Amino acid sequence: DVKVTQSSRYLVKRTGEKVFLECVQDMDHENMFWYRQDPGLGLRLIYFSYDVKMKEKGDIPEGYSVSREKKERFSLILESASTNQTSMYLCASNRPFWPQYFGPGTRLTVL
Amino acid sequence: QKEVEQDPGPLSVPEGAIVSLNCTYSNSAFQYFMWYRQYSRKGPELLMYTYSSGNKEDGRFTAQVDKSSKYISLFIRDSQPSDSATYLCAMSGAKTGGGADGLTFGKGTHLIIQP
Repeated sequence: DVKVTQSSRYLVKRTGEKVFLECVQDMDHENMFWYRQDPGLGLRLIYFSYDVKMKEKGDIPEGYSVSREKKERFSLILESASTNQTSMYLCASNRPFWPQYFGPGTRLTVL
Repeated sequence: QKEVEQDPGPLSVPEGAIVSLNCTYSNSAFQYFMWYRQYSRKGPELLMYTYSSGNKEDGRFTAQVDKSSKYISLFIRDSQPSDSATYLCAMSGAKTGGGADGLTFGKGTHLIIQP
């Protein structure tokens, strides 16, 4: 059974704080992704990683960075949180040519 | 023109009806097509995955892909109140098959099944 877990379901942070969102998958997938989902805008890709220590920018990488030190773990970092980063953050993983499987999401509120 | 168009709804139908959900797309390079179901405040859950054109059936769900028309559909038979959710179509090109460059999503159709 596929399993993608995210460290928090709900998170409240203040403007300017450094925020870490963690994602772990237990399926030995090569690829991992971070998306954000906003009403009316749908899912947008922030960053993805196709191997340990490798990363590629997605459509909206500004204000974010990522880290993948181990194959099963992919972290999203908000260096200095801003109110426009209030959103639902979704992690996903897959093997090439197979569908992506999503985690439960982290609803982040930045005050 | 957006790459993937999907009517946001809401689409409200009575229990037991056949539901038809659709997406159109413009990128002829798309080869892999997926449907995800997303309940409120949860992550998307994979429902169907198809490659290229044709039909695929899984229980009450049928996915259709018509590449010549750049049109994909998801049919739900004998719809249940538990099917009430947002349905997202997603697709990707042949090069990566939904892999390292992410998926292109529709914005989702909000479906309501009335008991």
